[in-house]
Amino acid sequence: DTEVTQTPKHLVMGMTNKKSLKCEQHMGHRAMYWYKQKAKKPPELMFVYSYEKLSINESVPSRFSPECPNSSLLNLHLHALQPEDSALYLCASSQPTGGYNEQFFGPGTRLTVL
Amino acid sequence: DQQVKQNSPSLSVQEGRISILNCDYTNSMFDYFLWYKKYPAEGPTFLISISSIKDKNEDGRFTVFLNKSAKHLSLHIVPSQPGDSAVYFCAASGAPGNNDMRFGAGTRLTVKP
Repeated sequence: DTEVTQTPKHLVMGMTNKKSLKCEQHMGHRAMYWYKQKAKKPPELMFVYSYEKLSINESVPSRFSPECPNSSLLNLHLHALQPEDSALYLCASSQPTGGYNEQFFGPGTRLTVL
Repeated sequence: DQQVKQNSPSLSVQEGRISILNCDYTNSMFDYFLWYKKYPAEGPTFLISISSIKDKNEDGRFTVFLNKSAKHLSLHIVPSQPGDSAVYFCAASGAPGNNDMRFGAGTRLTVKP
């Protein structure tokens, strides 16, 4: 299984809602990532979990809250988002750190904040 | 601060010809470079990579060239096929174990039959 799955595919939420994005992989990868991608822009790294511990937080606002409950799952909890947070949210995973390892991406969740 | 730049937003080539996609970077600490391909409604898919100790890596129709002194890399696709039509992202990361990867803005390649 070389797949990273993300749910939901699309999400529309109001600024007062609380929602969660989910990501799952069964490749034994111990590093997992959240990226945000706006139209015609590159993916921007938000968070990195390494061995289920948060290792990189790229100064992301607290209205985004990541969680890594186990080595296969990664969540992104959303609360009080702004319309400018509308974007494609990509999850990725890679082999354990220590070497050069390509990241495997999921298809993304297209988020619209009204 | 865009540390990885792809200055051509689009490229169109004829089927069977060579496609050359270019990428420049500014951070001399980058040590590993990757190309990803992205189709609509899918996540980026890893294509080919090169570490800074090499200047060329080849995989079938795809070859990546690295010029460290110029901080430039390129992806050559020969021969180009219509199925290669996609957005291609260049990416770079630091030393082994460094998970912080930076992407370029992407180049949309269209291969015409």
